[in-house]
Amino acid sequence: AQSVTQPDIHITVSEGASLELRCNYSYGATPYLFWYVQSPGQGLQLLLKYFSGDTLVQGIKGFEAEFKRSQSSFNLRKPSVHWSDAAEYFCAVVLNTNAGKSTFGDGTTLTVKP
Amino acid sequence: DGGITQSPKYLFRKEGQNVTLSCEQNLNHDAMYWYRQDPGQGLRLIYYSQIVNDFQKGDIAEGYSVSREKKESFPLTVTSAQKNPTAFYLCAYRDPNTDTQYFGPGTRLTVL
Repeated sequence: AQSVTQPDIHITVSEGASLELRCNYSYGATPYLFWYVQSPGQGLQLLLKYFSGDTLVQGIKGFEAEFKRSQSSFNLRKPSVHWSDAAEYFCAVVLNTNAGKSTFGDGTTLTVKP
Repeated sequence: DGGITQSPKYLFRKEGQNVTLSCEQNLNHDAMYWYRQDPGQGLRLIYYSQIVNDFQKGDIAEGYSVSREKKESFPLTVTSAQKNPTAFYLCAYRDPNTDTQYFGPGTRLTVL
C-alpha cells in the first residue's frame, strides 16, 4: 500500500543545534512532496515543496529538504534550530493523478531545549 | 487568514446531536478538502470536492456529510452516526497553479 513514514515520533534538540527530520514514501512514481509545520491548536503551514528539478529545495524559516529518489526520502533539515521551531512537522505526498489528495505521515514532534 | 477560514474554533456537542463545521475560502479555487486529526496521527481525509455541486468520499467518510452549493463554502456535518467525533478538523483548498494545499486554522470538536 502507498504510504508515508516519519520514523521519529519525537525529537529533542538543543537550541542552536542542527536538525534533520526523516520522511520516506512508498509510491511507484515520484510524487509531489511537501513539509508542513503545525503549532499547537493551529492549522498547517507550508514550509516547502518538491515537484521536480533541483533535489535540494529551500523553504521558509531557514528550512531545506533534499529529495533522494534512490532512498525514496525527503528529509527536512535546518542548520541551527531556534526555540520557536518547536512544533509538529508533517511530511505529505500527492500523486499528480490523484485529484490532489494528500497522504500525510503521522508527524514528528520537535522539542527544543534551551 | 490566508484566504481560508474555519468556524467556530471550538465546538462542543452532546452525544446524539449533529453539528456543522464551517469552511470558507475567498480565493475562487475549485478544490477543497476536509481532514480529521487525532493526537499522534497524521491527517486523514474525510471528504473532498473538486468542483461546485460535486464531492467524493475520502478514507474515513462514515458518519460525516458535506455539501458544496457554492464555490467558496464547503461545510462539514458531523452526524450522530460518527462513533468517535472528538477531534481536530482541518479544511484546505488546493491552489491549482502550484498544486499545493493550504489549510485553515481548524475547529476542535469535543463531544460531551
